[in-house]
Amino acid sequence: LAKTTQPISMDSYEGQEVNITCSHNNIATNDYITWYQQFPSQGPRFIIQGYKTKVTNEVASLFIPADRKSSTLSLPRVSLSDTAVYYCLVGPPGYSNASKIIFGSGTRLSIQP
Amino acid sequence: DADVTQTPRNRITKTGKRIMLECSQTKGHDRMYWYRQDPGLGLRLIYYSFDVKDINKGEISDGYSVSRQAQAKFSLSLESAIPNQTALYFCATSNVGNQPQHFGDGTRLSIL
Repeated sequence: LAKTTQPISMDSYEGQEVNITCSHNNIATNDYITWYQQFPSQGPRFIIQGYKTKVTNEVASLFIPADRKSSTLSLPRVSLSDTAVYYCLVGPPGYSNASKIIFGSGTRLSIQP
Repeated sequence: DADVTQTPRNRITKTGKRIMLECSQTKGHDRMYWYRQDPGLGLRLIYYSFDVKDINKGEISDGYSVSRQAQAKFSLSLESAIPNQTALYFCATSNVGNQPQHFGDGTRLSIL
């Protein structure tokens, strides 16, 4: 199973760009990389998903190098409301074999004024 | 996500009791999942179901059972609760294809 490793915590300031890296050395050929955000007392919420190179949506970008052994979630110009735990998830497309879904332990991001 | 509703939101019970956690969804998704979250360990998959007649074990199914009563309902049971099953439990749904999962707001379960 593709284990994921993330930094336990990160601190930044409002207006800064934040990059959170996830390591997944044993990622399978058909695995996708998905990032979720979780606030206290809430379930995780989808942020972005990708397979290779770069993906961008209205809230974040995801950078995946050619070897796909890591990925970086980039949050542009963070605000206090971005304080949350961020999870990196590696798994097959469409969760076709859900038993192979692996959530990382999460990165606790704290944004200061 | 209000489209995925978990009940109860909080439960305190005693060792040996049978517990049922319920999940219902209005998203029309075929796929449903149960996860457990412990501090510092992220989420771990307990069971999942891709349709009403399909039940599959996840990473940590021992001590748990599930029932998929309908497309919209997926319940998790602890037949004889033990203290190390104290955790935050999440239900999630997803559509077919490469679609993200949608999570409920969790059930906080404490077993004394």
